Amino acid sequence: DQQVKQNSPSLSVQEGRISILNCDYTNSMFDYFLWYKKYPAEGPTFLISISSIKDKNEDGRFTVFLNKSAKHLSLHIVPSQPGDSAVYFCAARDSHGSSNTGKLIFGQGTTLQVKP
Amino acid sequence: ETGVTQSPTHLIKTRGQQVTLRCSSQSGHNTVSWYQQALGQGPQFIFQYYREEENGRGNFPPRFSGLQFPNYSSELNVNALELDDSALYLCASSSGQDTGELFFGEGSRLTVL
Repeated sequence: DQQVKQNSPSLSVQEGRISILNCDYTNSMFDYFLWYKKYPAEGPTFLISISSIKDKNEDGRFTVFLNKSAKHLSLHIVPSQPGDSAVYFCAARDSHGSSNTGKLIFGQGTTLQVKP
Repeated sequence: ETGVTQSPTHLIKTRGQQVTLRCSSQSGHNTVSWYQQALGQGPQFIFQYYREEENGRGNFPPRFSGLQFPNYSSELNVNALELDDSALYLCASSSGQDTGELFFGEGSRLTVL
């Protein structure tokens, strides 16, 4: 059972425009949501996170929005740059037991292509 | 500050063999977790080690086992390899901060023939 889903396998946007990546989840016990970016032949790199008690977190060009009632989060990248082209993973942490700080549940990923 | 390093980067094994993958965690990080990423999928949690003990496990059979050493480095061992074990194995470390943020290595690409 897929607790975290990214329903769009790919997204293509023009440089300078907004990129919106979406993620849905089913488990109400998730306490943190994170976005990771992955380039080929590299490990995932942390991008931005949001606590389940907030609805928005912003860091430079990246903003994550959380809609708990819809169990939906999104990552906005404005403006998009060609260097943003990568696979983006949404991830969630189950709050059951703080000892499980290393357990994240990932979505399948969305490949973003930003065209010059 | 050194990041998470993994070895080997690539390896090929045959079905039924055993493999050991190694990971050095980021300096100061006492928690190490391992993930399996199959082609076209997101990483899946295998298990986590904290202070040399396993303290969380995903839906993987007992032939997946691990160790954490006093210097917080870690090993992932897989026995009786199956073709479906072919994947990228990622090690991640964390400092225990309550944000869920993990720092990943580049991974070990395992191919089982």
